[in-house]
Amino acid sequence: DAGITQSPRYKITETGRQVTLMCHQTWSHSYMFWYRQDLGHGLRLIYYSAAADITDKGEVPDGYVVSRSKTENFPLTLESATRSQTSVYFCAARREGKYEQYFGPGTRLTVT
Amino acid sequence: AQSVTQPDIHITVSEGASLELRCNYSYGATPYLFWYVQSPGQGLQLLLKYFSGDTLVQGIKGFEAEFKRSQSSFNLRKPSVHWSDAAEYFCAVVMDSNYQLIWGAGTKLIIKP
Repeated sequence: DAGITQSPRYKITETGRQVTLMCHQTWSHSYMFWYRQDLGHGLRLIYYSAAADITDKGEVPDGYVVSRSKTENFPLTLESATRSQTSVYFCAARREGKYEQYFGPGTRLTVT
Repeated sequence: AQSVTQPDIHITVSEGASLELRCNYSYGATPYLFWYVQSPGQGLQLLLKYFSGDTLVQGIKGFEAEFKRSQSSFNLRKPSVHWSDAAEYFCAVVMDSNYQLIWGAGTKLIIKP
């Protein structure tokens, strides 16, 4: 049972480039989340999705775009990467009616 | 506004010693509480959770936590730490309006040999 996979695990990109981080769950959990983790800021919610085709902003959505055409996938796109988006990105999922979230292994993104 | 405070940024404990990591929350109603652990370079793993009932909850890897409503606390404990427990520990509370988690800033646990 793989749970949540994220790809790539490491990415280096240049300022201004578009980059997409992928998140896939092997369950069919309704809710999916994207967080970024930075020193001194802990985990901050970027976007979340309650179901396919339903997404909503979190605490720090600026500069990011999400989509969810299928329940199992929740890609995160940085339309024009900036150095301030250098971070570790985590995808998470939870079941409808449950509170605990389950996390993927993360993607370490460096924007040069 | 709801918030979660982990007062200790770092804690150093000798291997074999007991451990207590503090977590305090600010929330008007009965909270749903979690502890997660993040090993270096890894994602977050759920250690334990409290929803209701017995205020002492057992988790994985020999951890336990106690909910104290009067102190608005949910401290994590382990009687004897192992070198493999070195990691960062996060406390979280759920906002029941939309089930989103509010996270503490984390406590990094360092184990002395």
